[in-house]
Amino acid sequence: SQTIHQWPATLVQPVGSPLSLECTVEGTSNPNLYWYRQAAGRGLQLLFYSVGIGQISSEVPQNLSASRPQDRQFILSSKKLLLSDSGFYLCAWSSQDRDTGELFFGEGSRLTVL
Amino acid sequence: GQNIDQPTEMTATEGAIVQINCTYQTSGFNGLFWYQQHAGEAPTFLSYNVLDGLEEKGRFSSFLSRSKGYSYLLLKELQMKDSASYLCAVKDSNYQLIWGAGTKLIIKP
Repeated sequence: SQTIHQWPATLVQPVGSPLSLECTVEGTSNPNLYWYRQAAGRGLQLLFYSVGIGQISSEVPQNLSASRPQDRQFILSSKKLLLSDSGFYLCAWSSQDRDTGELFFGEGSRLTVL
Repeated sequence: GQNIDQPTEMTATEGAIVQINCTYQTSGFNGLFWYQQHAGEAPTFLSYNVLDGLEEKGRFSSFLSRSKGYSYLLLKELQMKDSASYLCAVKDSNYQLIWGAGTKLIIKP
């Protein structure tokens, strides 16, 4: 069966510090991969998605970046965090083969920037 | 612009039935999803509708009317564990998911 895991689960970082969130998927190959951010009382905001190694699409201009160094690994990074980067970050995958394209989410990473 | 509307919060009683509505205006339509999200956790998939009508899955059912841009999630025999946020999402013409802000459902004994 397929699993998705992201870490760390909780992170408290000072403004201006770097960030690295990592996500891995097991049990499937060539998944679509996504990074979302969820702010309180708002819908999920798509940050990045990837359909293959090295192929990253950015949805929102910001000081975040994403990389996909391996087929089932997706990394969200920042060189200098802003206060506004605080939020709940979710990694997700979907199959390129399924018609429905439902998303399967990782456990989430709660980031607090102070 | 693209928009998904759903009530912010609803309250219901254990054992009762509740209907959570979702209306949408999107550029194209390629399916509608409902997800459940418990506080502090990731969303989990509940249902998918692409054709008009009712899809039933145990205590949960989801309805879609494409002509009205409308869907609802029906929860029967409510249990305390159903207390969660319910997210409506529509896949647009580019196959991108547009998400509603979610409906927080509070179940009272």
